[in-house]
Amino acid sequence: GQNIDQPTEMTATEGAIVQINCTYQTSGFNGLFWYQQHAGEAPTFLSYNVLDGLEEKGRFSSFLSRSKGYSYLLLKELQMKDSASYLCAVRSFTGGGNKLTFGTGTQLKVEL
Amino acid sequence: DTEVTQTPKHLVMGMTNKKSLKCEQHMGHRAMYWYKQKAKKPPELMFVYSYEKLSINESVPSRFSPECPNSSLLNLHLHALQPEDSALYLCASSQVRAAGNQPQHFGDGTRLSIL
Repeated sequence: GQNIDQPTEMTATEGAIVQINCTYQTSGFNGLFWYQQHAGEAPTFLSYNVLDGLEEKGRFSSFLSRSKGYSYLLLKELQMKDSASYLCAVRSFTGGGNKLTFGTGTQLKVEL
Repeated sequence: DTEVTQTPKHLVMGMTNKKSLKCEQHMGHRAMYWYKQKAKKPPELMFVYSYEKLSINESVPSRFSPECPNSSLLNLHLHALQPEDSALYLCASSQVRAAGNQPQHFGDGTRLSIL
């Protein structure tokens, strides 16, 4: 089975940097995704890692260590609009195809 | 606005009603998905279709019946639902290939309430 853990809530200040961690235990690992979800809206894709290391996309970066089953999402120059839920999702390949299993989600609140 | 369109946005139904949720995408994706999301919880996978064939059913009760009539459309037929089935139902699509940076694209969901 899959087990994916994230902190439930985090609070940070506008303009600061925040790191959201994700740990996972999975079989058939085939990539890790980060999504952002505002309340009442669709999850939107932020970043993807399949190899170890850091991927940078503007204000967002994501890191993966496959040997440790660990990833983090780094958000820089925080803005109020970054207040949202951040979902870590592991893709695994099964006989039926690709499955995406989401972590518990981290609710980020950005304050002035 | 997302590239995956779901209708209706809201649905209220009784436990004896029959209704359908609809999902449409025109990105050429051949994999489509249904997820259920309860408040303050992550999406949970229900079904996966690959090339219009059901490839994964996550032990979903038979009162939920998926259908993929063509490569652009995905339906979820609902019958005799229970109050605990009230949730946000999300549709997603993606390329079928097993690897690579191919995220799933999500619709805005249908918020379903069972009376």
